[in-house]
Amino acid sequence: KQEVTQIPAALSVPEGENLVLNCSFTDSAIYNLQWFRQDPGKGLTSLLLIQSSQREQTSGRLNASLDKSSGRSTLYIAASQPGDSATYLCAVPNTGNQFYFGTGTSLTVIP
Amino acid sequence: KAGVTQTPRYLIKTRGQQVTLSCSPISGHRSVSWYQQTPGQGLQFLFEYFSETQRNKGNFPGRFSGRQFSNSRSEMNVSTLELGDSALYLCASSFGPTNPYEQYFGPGTRLTVT
Repeated sequence: KQEVTQIPAALSVPEGENLVLNCSFTDSAIYNLQWFRQDPGKGLTSLLLIQSSQREQTSGRLNASLDKSSGRSTLYIAASQPGDSATYLCAVPNTGNQFYFGTGTSLTVIP
Repeated sequence: KAGVTQTPRYLIKTRGQQVTLSCSPISGHRSVSWYQQTPGQGLQFLFEYFSETQRNKGNFPGRFSGRQFSNSRSEMNVSTLELGDSALYLCASSFGPTNPYEQYFGPGTRLTVT
């Protein structure tokens, strides 16, 4: 069974700082990996989807990388803003559409 | 293009009752998955439907059931509610039943069991 771990569990940074969130998974035979953002009490917003054949995916200030062989993905957020404060989740699907989620990183950006 | 919608957004039920939650996927999406999110267990997969057929089921008791209609809308039902069923229930839709399709989540239904 796929296990997904996210480190750190919580992170607090001053506004403007660049930061990296980590995600690791135990089974490297993945099809893709998806990063989500969740605001308190809300649903999940898809940020980036990286296919297994890709190494990187970028959207605005966000950059996600994938290293299947080592079972790792990172989400890089450049020039953080208070509006980036949320919980960030990574998820890896099985052969179907069942996603295994990490426990998330709770990010606070201090103005 | 409208996103995934879930109704109702909030529910309060008492132990022993049953509840039905509804999910309307993005237009054109035929796969709908359901997840339970609790502070202690995080996000856990309940089941997935595609073309009115359940394709995958997570490790939940039989009190949790679902179905999908011909227009891809899905419902999940929880019978004989327990306090531990209090959670945020999220549904996700995608174009197809297998990867590499991106999943889109709805806002969730917050269920409180008293």
